[in-house]
Amino acid sequence: EVQLVETGGGLVQPGRSLKLSCVASGFTFNNYWMSWTRQAPGKGLEWVASITNSGGSTYYPDSVKGRFTISRDNAQNTLYLQMNSLRSEDTATYYCTRGSKGFAYWGQGTLVTVSS
Amino acid sequence: NIVMTQSPKSMSISVGDRVTMNCKASQNVYNNIAWYQQKPGKSPKLLIYYASNRYTGVPDRFTGSGSGTDFTLTINSVQAEDAAFYYCQRIYNSPYTFGAGTKLELK
Repeated sequence: EVQLVETGGGLVQPGRSLKLSCVASGFTFNNYWMSWTRQAPGKGLEWVASITNSGGSTYYPDSVKGRFTISRDNAQNTLYLQMNSLRSEDTATYYCTRGSKGFAYWGQGTLVTVSS
Repeated sequence: NIVMTQSPKSMSISVGDRVTMNCKASQNVYNNIAWYQQKPGKSPKLLIYYASNRYTGVPDRFTGSGSGTDFTLTINSVQAEDAAFYYCQRIYNSPYTFGAGTKLELK
């Protein structure tokens, strides 16, 4: 059974940093592109970052480019999202997702709250 | 940057009705569209990929169609459990932009 378990969320002050992790199980991790998608409270879905199966290429929307970094450790079956210079508008539930032809698997999400 | 516009924002439907919702891309995305269903407090679920391919386990009352810039998700004979938010997303090429969603409510 495919499982994606996110950790690392919490309350952080504006301008500070936070690193999220996603531990994957139930599939061959290094065969799949992985992504992060977020959802602000009461709002819609926003794609945040994607990484190829080897980790050799990464992709971001303009809203987080230069502030967020996606990475992966294929030996540990773990996906990461390093978030720097956090803003109040980054407050959201962050989901780890698997897939390239649509996000077929989602974790339960981890809540990040950016507030002073 | 590509914009995905969904319509309507919300709709109220009776059980057994047929519902159609739309997703319009600001540029040609060929058939590179996915549709998701999200219920309150839950993670989204993939319904359709590459515009018209039903994902594993998705009931056949869900049908996706369209290509280029205009796409449609149709639910035939809506069931009570279909009450949810529905999102379209551009896939295959970055940015993997989502639409703002359509809320489906049951009368």
